Amino acid sequence: ETGVTQTPRHLVMGMTNKKSLKCEQHLGHNAMYWYKQSAKKPLELMFVYNFKEQTENNSVPSRFSPECPNSSHLFLHLHTLQPEDSALYLCASSQDSIPYEQYFGPGTRLTVT
Amino acid sequence: SQKIEQNSEALNIQEGKTATLTCNYTNYSPAYLQWYRQDPGRGPVFLLLIRENEKEKRKERLKVTFDTTLKQSLFHITASQPADSATYLCALGAGGGNKLTFGTGTQLKVEL
Repeated sequence: ETGVTQTPRHLVMGMTNKKSLKCEQHLGHNAMYWYKQSAKKPLELMFVYNFKEQTENNSVPSRFSPECPNSSHLFLHLHTLQPEDSALYLCASSQDSIPYEQYFGPGTRLTVT
Repeated sequence: SQKIEQNSEALNIQEGKTATLTCNYTNYSPAYLQWYRQDPGRGPVFLLLIRENEKEKRKERLKVTFDTTLKQSLFHITASQPADSATYLCALGAGGGNKLTFGTGTQLKVEL
């Protein structure tokens, strides 16, 4: 266990559905991240939150909406997704200072039908 | 644009040998570089960090080198074991921030 949990582990949703992914870290970290991992592609950073404030939005489509109510919880709200959004969504946390080693959750495998 | 290259082909080696994985980058001046291990169906796990002013870092059977002139990092696993089989990712970070850019990873298979 890395101290970062994600729910659900698997999610199948239609293009008109609305769903949310949840991430929780028990490490006392101040930074949290959302990544997208597709087959044969590098991890794509989506969002970064430092001390609950969003500091990075990597040109992510508005159908992905993050929420960080406190330093321990991170959500990714999904609506009107496309089939190409099917991927593994990973949450990570770190301290906000060097060495920034990131602790990842197990991911949510998302399939959009 | 920034580019990180890791060998996309799987690396197969025999148990007991040293595995060497490569991470090359272009159009980037990283302040530090990290290596992660990822097993199927799991999130990456942090292994080592090396800063731009460091040439080499070691941790148990792992060794990382960082050559900012060649724009390359090498990741070595000595006395490899089948349990070392996984995908290894390199990630670069710029100074003053916690944003990481990842490579595609190299799959390592250690055979008996």
